[in-house]
Amino acid sequence: ETGVTQSPTHLIKTRGQQVTLRCSSQSGHNTVSWYQQALGQGPQFIFQYYREEENGRGNFPPRFSGLQFPNYSSELNVNALELDDSALYLCASSSGTGADYGYTFGSGTRLTVV
Amino acid sequence: KQEVTQIPAALSVPEGENLVLNCSFTDSAIYNLQWFRQDPGKGLTSLLLIQSSQREQTSGRLNASLDKSSGRSTLYIAASQPGDSATYLCAQGDSWGKLQFGAGTQVVVTP
Repeated sequence: ETGVTQSPTHLIKTRGQQVTLRCSSQSGHNTVSWYQQALGQGPQFIFQYYREEENGRGNFPPRFSGLQFPNYSSELNVNALELDDSALYLCASSSGTGADYGYTFGSGTRLTVV
Repeated sequence: KQEVTQIPAALSVPEGENLVLNCSFTDSAIYNLQWFRQDPGKGLTSLLLIQSSQREQTSGRLNASLDKSSGRSTLYIAASQPGDSATYLCAQGDSWGKLQFGAGTQVVVTP
């Protein structure tokens, strides 16, 4: 049974550029959530996807968007990058939505915007 | 506004001592409370998940309690080891699985 895999592990982008981060969910998991963790802070919820549909969104602007594919892998896209977007982006998968399911987190993608 | 607070922000103990980490939350309608471990620059490892109907969960040297009436959860780590050095995060879960995290407690266990 494989865990959650994120790619790339590190990324450096210039302000104003666009970035795509990828996540392969754990086998058997159909729900993916994305979190942003700034240095020294706890992760902040960006959005959740369940069976290819967005199933909830945190307090992030529309330039943060996502996709979930039929195999339940997912992408996070960020347009018009700002310096404050520099953070560790975490993907978490679960076998369902709701409070009864625990999450498996990936190791994250470290994004640096210069 | 719902908030999750962890105090202290950092903690250093000698090997063998018991660790007590505190987490406070403001949402009385909490669905679950989870504890995670994070090593520097890494993702999160789930330690314990307590459903709102439960009062505690145990796994090996780890024990977590949940008191909804006071809005508190406590993680106990018995007989700490240098390998327990990490940041510990608590998170409250809502009805559809969104997690709200505290900022974490950074733990150092000295040999």
